[in-house]
Amino acid sequence: SAVISQKPSRDICQRGTSLTIQCQVDSQVTMMFWYRQQPGQSLTLIATANQGSEATYESGFVIDKFPISRPNLTFSTLTVSNMSPEDSSIYLCSVQGRLSSYNEQFFGPGTRLTVL
Amino acid sequence: DQQVKQNSPSLSVQEGRISILNCDYTNSMFDYFLWYKKYPAEGPTFLISISSIKDKNEDGRFTVFLNKSAKHLSLHIVPSQPGDSAVYFCAASHTGTASKLTFGTGTRLQVTL
Repeated sequence: SAVISQKPSRDICQRGTSLTIQCQVDSQVTMMFWYRQQPGQSLTLIATANQGSEATYESGFVIDKFPISRPNLTFSTLTVSNMSPEDSSIYLCSVQGRLSSYNEQFFGPGTRLTVL
Repeated sequence: DQQVKQNSPSLSVQEGRISILNCDYTNSMFDYFLWYKKYPAEGPTFLISISSIKDKNEDGRFTVFLNKSAKHLSLHIVPSQPGDSAVYFCAASHTGTASKLTFGTGTRLQVTL
C-alpha cells in the first residue's frame, strides 16, 4: 500500500476564509480521491482527481467551493473556499490500490478542520 | 438516500469472543464490498474485501460473509482483541463506477478485557 501524508493535520479557521489541504503520496498513482467526514457521519466522496485532467465532482459538490489541483502523479490539493461552520469536517485524501484489487483505496491520516 | 447502512452505531465484545459487525445495502448494482477500520486521528485502514461472486472471504482473524439475496454482509473477528477497538466502516462499489466507494456510517467496536 502507498504511504500518504496530509498537511495540515488540523486547523481552526475563521468564517469566510479558505484553506488548502495538501496530499502527498510516496509513489505514482493515477487516481486520487478527496472525501469529507462530517461529525458523526459517513465518509462522502467529494471528487476524483486524475493527473492531467479536471477533477470530477460528486453530486452536491462544486468546483467553486472545493477547487482541486493535481499537478503530478504524487500530489494533490483540495481548497475549501469561503468557509462556514458547516464545513467543519475531517477531509481525507485516498489513492487507488493495486490493479488486481482495483476498488481498494488507501487513505491519508486526514485533516481535521474547524470553522468558527 | 443512504445506500449502505450500518444499523448498529456501537458494539461491545469481550476479549477472546467473536465480534460480528453488520452492513446492509440497497443498491443491487453493488458488486464489490470492503471493510475499513478507523482509529481516532487516523485515516481508515483497509481490512478485507469481497467480490459479489463469492459469499465468504477469510484473512486471518477476519472473515467477511456476503448474502446477496438479503443484500447483507457481515464482518466476523475471531478472537477479538483490545487492539480491534475502533470504528469499522463497510463500503461498496460497482463496476460501472469502478473507483467510487459508498460508505456506511460506521460501527464503533469496543473490545473489553
